Amino acid sequence: EDQVTQSPEALRLQEGESSSLNCSYTVSGLRGLFWYRQDPGKGPEFLFTLYSAGEEKEKERLKATLTKKESFLHITAPKPEDSATYLCAVQISGTYKYIFGTGTRLKVLA
Amino acid sequence: ETGVTQTPRHLVMGMTNKKSLKCEQHLGHNAMYWYKQSAKKPLELMFVYSLEERVENNSVPSRFSPECPNSSHLFLHLHTLQPEDSALYLCASSQDLTGLNTEAFFGQGTRLTVV
Repeated sequence: EDQVTQSPEALRLQEGESSSLNCSYTVSGLRGLFWYRQDPGKGPEFLFTLYSAGEEKEKERLKATLTKKESFLHITAPKPEDSATYLCAVQISGTYKYIFGTGTRLKVLA
Repeated sequence: ETGVTQTPRHLVMGMTNKKSLKCEQHLGHNAMYWYKQSAKKPLELMFVYSLEERVENNSVPSRFSPECPNSSHLFLHLHTLQPEDSALYLCASSQDLTGLNTEAFFGQGTRLTVV
């Protein structure tokens, strides 16, 4: 069964304390893996797409990496404005279907 | 306006009411989606349209009825809903349904409460 699991469910960091969020996936075939940021009461905001193992993408303090089984979202020296829920989604090969994880709620304390 | 716009942002309706959610995308995309987001659950794909044709009806109860009159507009018609249908309803669009440009761009959502 195709599945996406994100961990941890929630994470509290001090400002400047770097960490990583994990997205593990089990799918019949990977077309692409997507990271989104979602603020409370708003829709998800697209961050990155990763297509193949070894690929990396960066944006400001965020860096996403991909292996054959999982993806990491590394947050370097986070700021309070990075507080949000981070969602991972996988698109299955040959389909348009996305499978979303339940997200990691990140809180960065000043 | 740019991006994906959803109206209304909040909706409270009784179980016997009929209401509609509206979504408009200004990105020139070919695919549009309705998702349901409930607390502690992953986003659930409800409907997918590509070039105004429905390509997915993901076992959604008939009390939810989508409509896509053109590639920029998407509606979700609601009638005789249940309290468990209370959730955040998200509209999204993507350039393509499959291929390279499939990342979804979401609207702000409609927070629906069924009383």
